[in-house]
Amino acid sequence: DAKTTQPPSMDCAEGRAANLPCNHSTISGNEYVYWYRQIHSQGPQYIIHGLKNNETNEMASLIITEDRKSSTLILPHATLRDTAVYYCIVRGANSGYALNFGKGTSLLVTP
Amino acid sequence: EPEVTQTPSHQVTQMGQEVILRCVPISNHLYFYWYRQILGQKVEFLVSFYNNEISEKSEIFDDQFSVERPDGSNFTLKIRSTKLEDSAMYFCASSPDRGPGGYTFGSGTRLTVV
Repeated sequence: DAKTTQPPSMDCAEGRAANLPCNHSTISGNEYVYWYRQIHSQGPQYIIHGLKNNETNEMASLIITEDRKSSTLILPHATLRDTAVYYCIVRGANSGYALNFGKGTSLLVTP
Repeated sequence: EPEVTQTPSHQVTQMGQEVILRCVPISNHLYFYWYRQILGQKVEFLVSFYNNEISEKSEIFDDQFSVERPDGSNFTLKIRSTKLEDSAMYFCASSPDRGPGGYTFGSGTRLTVV
């Protein structure tokens, strides 16, 4: 699976959009981009995934660049409860079963 | 919303004792996983399980570990002879298939080996 690079930490004001970047320059054509988050020692929580097109669900939007070498997770109106570590993971649909959690981005949402 | 349920939430055990961590995956899911997270470190994959057998395991998952689906609902992780370094949060997860969808994780069992 392709390696990902994320900033170690970010801050965001409550009510503003949080834009979390991820670089995955070695991604291959059949690999998906996944985002999970972990709120203070709770189990990781699936947020969203995408292959080529931008995706949106009730939690977030995922913007994937045209060359697929980077992506951005957008939380449109961050709340204090969105404070968490966010993980960008690249995985092929038919590759191994393991999710490779890196160090992620620690997002702090401030009042 | 369906949940993955893990019990107990916290277990303390003596070094050398056997422990069994229990998980109830989402009922229509077919793939089951265990991950662990040592305090302050990354979430690490241990094992995946499908069709009553291990489909993949990491190098962490050595002979002291085993998994079982003893009935139609439970999925267990057994650690045969616990060591101090086994102290960690253990997360169970499940997924409906091997496709691109996300995994659902439980809230974890905190294992403390003393």
